[in-house]
Amino acid sequence: GAVVSQHPSRVICKSGTSVKIECRSLDFQATTMFWYRQFPKQSLMLMATSNEGSKATYEQGVEKDKFLINHASLTLSTLTVTSAHPEDSSFYICSARGVAGSIQETQYFGPGTRLLVL
Amino acid sequence: QKEVEQNSGPLSVPEGAIASLNCTYSDRGSQSFFWYRQYSGKSPELIMFIYSNGDKEDGRFTAQLNKASQYVSLLIRDSQPSDSATYLCAVKPGDYKLSFGAGTTVTVRA
Repeated sequence: GAVVSQHPSRVICKSGTSVKIECRSLDFQATTMFWYRQFPKQSLMLMATSNEGSKATYEQGVEKDKFLINHASLTLSTLTVTSAHPEDSSFYICSARGVAGSIQETQYFGPGTRLLVL
Repeated sequence: QKEVEQNSGPLSVPEGAIASLNCTYSDRGSQSFFWYRQYSGKSPELIMFIYSNGDKEDGRFTAQLNKASQYVSLLIRDSQPSDSATYLCAVKPGDYKLSFGAGTTVTVRA
């Protein structure tokens, strides 16, 4: 199998606070993890790519100091939204990809985290 | 030109009919092609992948790939109301990132 979990599934926070979202590959080692954001009725937007043990690569227009990504192990990546504001309210989805040549080389998505900043 | 283009739809089909979804891509070097299904409010779920020219069947789903035409399609046979979702075409153009189309929304009428 290729199961990816995310926690929390839903979070409501006050403006100015920081929120941490965890993404775990449960039954495979994820050499690469991807973080996406999706606004209502819009397509997925890739925010950043992280490889275990190295700094994340951010897409153009994504503030790396605002969206902190840590890929500390082959099964865990975290996204921290720092000083969240209402415009950061969105559906955040992680995706994990396993070792090249394995069946898990395909990208598998976590269930997503819905963030609402008041 | 977008890397991956899909008809946005919505595509409405009666129950039991075939739903046909199309996708074109710009990078001729692309090697891997994927179809994801996304229900409203949920994250994408992988339903098919295809690497070689031709057809690949999995249950009621058939993916078709034509690299010369830079075209990949998904057929859903015997469409069911539970197939109502947005279908995302994704292409891996040689580096490690998938490029997604904007998705085609399918509605299956009971």
